[in-house]
Amino acid sequence: SQQGEEDPQALSIQEGENATMNCSYKTSINNLQWYRQNSGRGLVHLILIRSNEREKHSGRLRVTLDTSKKSSSLLITASRAADTASYFCATALTGGYNKLIFGAGTRLAVHP
Amino acid sequence: GAVVSQHPSWVICKSGTSVKIECRSLDFQATTMFWYRQFPKQSLMLMATSNEGSKATYEQGVEKDKFLINHASLTLSTLTVTSAHPEDSSFYICSARPDRGRDYGYTFGSGTRLTVV
Repeated sequence: SQQGEEDPQALSIQEGENATMNCSYKTSINNLQWYRQNSGRGLVHLILIRSNEREKHSGRLRVTLDTSKKSSSLLITASRAADTASYFCATALTGGYNKLIFGAGTRLAVHP
Repeated sequence: GAVVSQHPSWVICKSGTSVKIECRSLDFQATTMFWYRQFPKQSLMLMATSNEGSKATYEQGVEKDKFLINHASLTLSTLTVTSAHPEDSSFYICSARPDRGRDYGYTFGSGTRLTVV
């Protein structure tokens, strides 16, 4: 089952621009995580934000979390062609095992 | 650290045969591992939670007799697709959560692309 939606589904920008992706979820969470996937490969963990946090930074990444709206956003600043990939948010659900449920994902294309 | 190795990376099999996919945590112990399935240009769908020493927990709609999961040790979980059919063709990915603290995410294998002909 999927947790929710991400928008936009696809995003095309020029190098140097910022990219913003949004994610919504449906249930109570322990934390929300963002992952990156290059075509046909495994996932790479980018950043984790806990349910009691509102904003977090890591390098060129900025993540916000609004638990009242059950939504999160990922901002990539000063994008590079190498940032081209699919980006997924994933929520670690409360309850046993902390299983991760993924959003639909955003395909980002950064053009030189 | 915290590497998950998944094999094979791709496999082609004939309809009706079974295929086993392995997921190993190389430098940590994983009591729990997760198996996902991904169709082209789509998201990851959680199939099941694999628990060491006990039965796997399957998500709604996933056939447990079709997708057999064995988690016999703290570093190895296997997914066997039994009597595979072309509709089982997909990208399968495993993951585990290293016990490194609350701010660390999950580690994923590199995935297995299964093609059933």
